[in-house]
Amino acid sequence: GQQVQQSPPASLVLQEGENAELQCTYSTTLNSMQWFYQRPGGRLVSLLYSPSWAEQRGGRLTSSAASNESRSSLHISSSQITDSGTYLCAMGNTNAYKVIFGKGTHLHVLP
Amino acid sequence: GPKVLQIPSHQIIDMGQMVTLNCDPVSNHLYFYWYKQILGQQMEFLVNFYNGKVMEKSKLFKDQFSVERPDGSYFTLKIQPTALEDSAVYFCASSFTGQLYFGEGSKLTVL
Repeated sequence: GQQVQQSPPASLVLQEGENAELQCTYSTTLNSMQWFYQRPGGRLVSLLYSPSWAEQRGGRLTSSAASNESRSSLHISSSQITDSGTYLCAMGNTNAYKVIFGKGTHLHVLP
Repeated sequence: GPKVLQIPSHQIIDMGQMVTLNCDPVSNHLYFYWYKQILGQQMEFLVNFYNGKVMEKSKLFKDQFSVERPDGSYFTLKIQPTALEDSAVYFCASSFTGQLYFGEGSKLTVL
């Protein structure tokens, strides 16, 4: 079935100020991607949404995609301690009837 | 941003009982979703509901599960009867164009 793989697969540790790149790859043709931050209590915060794989920017965040490689990336520039948490990517099929998530990457930003 | 409300935030019930989880989606949204997340694990797609019908569902959407949205009221997930493995946080999401907005989740504990 359709699968979304995230990397780094479990966690990423950075020093404050470093840049981060998180990636998602998918196993079948999907039409849109969305990146979320999940707070420790579970609430999901939408970071970036990209229909048709267009690059998106928001503050220190940029999402980019290589649909021919079935891959999308989330770039976090100048990481801050408050960026620590779980980042999830989600990918949707053409009609958005099914939007599936990767397992997430836990980002730890150290002072 | 747009708000999705979920009621209750936490429910504890005995195995075999029925439970209904309620979701108040964003007012002009057309697509509605339920997801299941066990603590520390992946966000799992359960079902998509559009135009009064289930459009997609996963293997996790067992026969004991049902969804409906009568007359534009709450979008509900009903589990009857519940099983121990149904204990999880259930997230509702809604969408107009494909970008998902999530509620804060309903934590279900089945004893």
